[in-house]
Amino acid sequence: AQSVTQPDIHITVSEGASLELRCNYSYGATPYLFWYVQSPGQGLQLLLKYFSGDTLVQGIKGFEAEFKRSQSSFNLRKPSVHWSDAAEYFCAVGVRSGNTPLVFGKGTRLSVIA
Amino acid sequence: GAVVSQHPSWVICKSGTSVKIECRSLDFQATTMFWYRQFPKQSLMLMATSNEGSKATYEQGVEKDKFLINHASLTLSTLTVTSAHPEDSSFYICSARGASGGYEQYFGPGTRLTVT
Repeated sequence: AQSVTQPDIHITVSEGASLELRCNYSYGATPYLFWYVQSPGQGLQLLLKYFSGDTLVQGIKGFEAEFKRSQSSFNLRKPSVHWSDAAEYFCAVGVRSGNTPLVFGKGTRLSVIA
Repeated sequence: GAVVSQHPSWVICKSGTSVKIECRSLDFQATTMFWYRQFPKQSLMLMATSNEGSKATYEQGVEKDKFLINHASLTLSTLTVTSAHPEDSSFYICSARGASGGYEQYFGPGTRLTVT
């Protein structure tokens, strides 16, 4: 079965600084990969996804992620963080078969300081 | 496109009562729907998977008699929490996958359940 690891529970960055959130997955074949953001009390918003093709994926709100097969990683990056980016970020992995649902990592909480 | 709605967005009920949460796919047909549960400051935990017209498949540890899931049409799935107790208080999120054959899941906005 597939699994996702987000090693960082909580990250604090200064506004305007760059950001990288780590995500590692475990799956025998090429998975589908997603990053979602969740503000307190809100649902999930899809930031970006990787299905195939170009391994550098652009998403909304200035986020991007790079799929690295050799490292089983799909790290999320943003060159300049805004205070409104403070939220919980979830990486998820899906597989290309049947009705298998997405599996989520435990999430990384991002705090942004002035 | 691919919008999923949930109703209600929040509900407060008394212990021992039942509450129904609806999940609708507004602009596509959802052959499969998933129900997740999220406790504060935690990740989403899959509760069950339901296919239209079939019985739901529950994850290990989820009581099927307590969390009744019905997926009677291609656009509607319901989760009924029966005889709710305070420990059932949580954020419930549904997700739908379309009939087009893709593997993406579209998420509803969630329902906050508080049992008093």
